[in-house]
Amino acid sequence: DVKVTQSSRYLVKRTGEKVFLECVQDMDHENMFWYRQDPGLGLRLIYFSYDVKMKEKGDIPEGYSVSREKKERFSLILESASTNQTSMYLCASRVPGLGYTFGSGTRLTVV
Amino acid sequence: GEDVEQSLFLSVREGDSSVINCTYTDSSSTYLYWYKQEPGAGLQLLTYIFSNMDMKQDQRLTVLLNKKDKHLSLRIADTQTGDSAIYFCAEISGYSTLTFGKGTMLLVSP
Repeated sequence: DVKVTQSSRYLVKRTGEKVFLECVQDMDHENMFWYRQDPGLGLRLIYFSYDVKMKEKGDIPEGYSVSREKKERFSLILESASTNQTSMYLCASRVPGLGYTFGSGTRLTVV
Repeated sequence: GEDVEQSLFLSVREGDSSVINCTYTDSSSTYLYWYKQEPGAGLQLLTYIFSNMDMKQDQRLTVLLNKKDKHLSLRIADTQTGDSAIYFCAEISGYSTLTFGKGTMLLVSP
């Protein structure tokens, strides 16, 4: 089975900090995705990547950037964290023909 | 753009059948998916159906697809308290990204 691992389950950061959320998948998949999940808003796509060093903006990229230096790792970066970025962040890897496999999520609180 | 709509909440009694409905707008959808999210966890793929199929059964789960009406449903037979979760419908066409509904919270009472 594909495994998608997010490095932290819970994070608390201060406003203005630079925050790195890490995601690793173990099946050499090309496609990886970052979503945030908020009550009443469902899942919203932040960024995705089709291959190493490639990135595409999703629906809500503002305030975020990403890095994909190796195929297995896709990092989400909050350049200067703000309280409105408090959310659950979900990473996913695409399994061709089988949809996405998600990590367990990182609940980020910005204080 | 593409849109996926679901009702927000469903409450059933243990042992009953649950039916969660979803409508989508993208007529070029190739795959449609159902995901389950338990509290504090990520999304788990439950089942999926290819767009040229009408029905798929997998143990207690039955997926029905009406492509003409762009309507997808998930039926859970003999619903258990462990089935309480949020269920997301999602669709994809070609190599584009998944589009998710906002999720249906299923509450199963004893």
